[in-house]
Amino acid sequence: GAVVSQHPSRVICKSGTSVKIECRSLDFQATTMFWYRQFPKQSLMLMATSNEGSKATYEQGVEKDKFLINHASLTLSTLTVTSAHPEDSSFYICSAGSHGQGRIHEQYFGPGTRLTVT
Amino acid sequence: LAKTTQPISMDSYEGQEVNITCSHNNIATNDYITWYQQFPSQGPRFIIQGYKTKVTNEVASLFIPADRKSSTLSLPRVSLSDTAVYYCLVGAAGNQGGKLIFGQGTELSVKP
Repeated sequence: GAVVSQHPSRVICKSGTSVKIECRSLDFQATTMFWYRQFPKQSLMLMATSNEGSKATYEQGVEKDKFLINHASLTLSTLTVTSAHPEDSSFYICSAGSHGQGRIHEQYFGPGTRLTVT
Repeated sequence: LAKTTQPISMDSYEGQEVNITCSHNNIATNDYITWYQQFPSQGPRFIIQGYKTKVTNEVASLFIPADRKSSTLSLPRVSLSDTAVYYCLVGAAGNQGGKLIFGQGTELSVKP
């Protein structure tokens, strides 16, 4: 099946600094990628939809100036958490869509990035 | 996007068959039903997808009644390694760009 990677797998940063997380589709081209955030013992929360070559679409309540998303190529999307604060500490997961036979849809998820802001 | 409802948790023992039912009363005509599995600190993994009746693959079966308002994920002969959270999602490729909204999921605990 399709493989999605994330880098780094975990990162610790100081409050006020910015952190960039990369999401790559390794063996397929992804025109659309999705970014999720997951707090402990909670479900995944969709943050934004990343479209190659255009601006990302953010879900309600997600600050677009704080969570910068860039989808510069068909295999790479990046999420930058700007001016990170301890409350941004979370598990960030990306996914890329794969469309088979027209209507069937499934997403392939990356392994996640654990962000800890101190 | 159709909302889904699942049991919050389930317990089972090794070797048993586990059935997790998901309700999705507002499923749309072009929606598919997809189940994902997630282990702690990992991204979700696709398990199975279906539109109606029954779908079976090497790891699970998915039963969907005619009205499609619910679905049941069946895991045959579970092992300790099946302990995970299972998510039922409803959506379609042409629906809002294919984005998926995760519900609370079902935390399955398999005991020896």
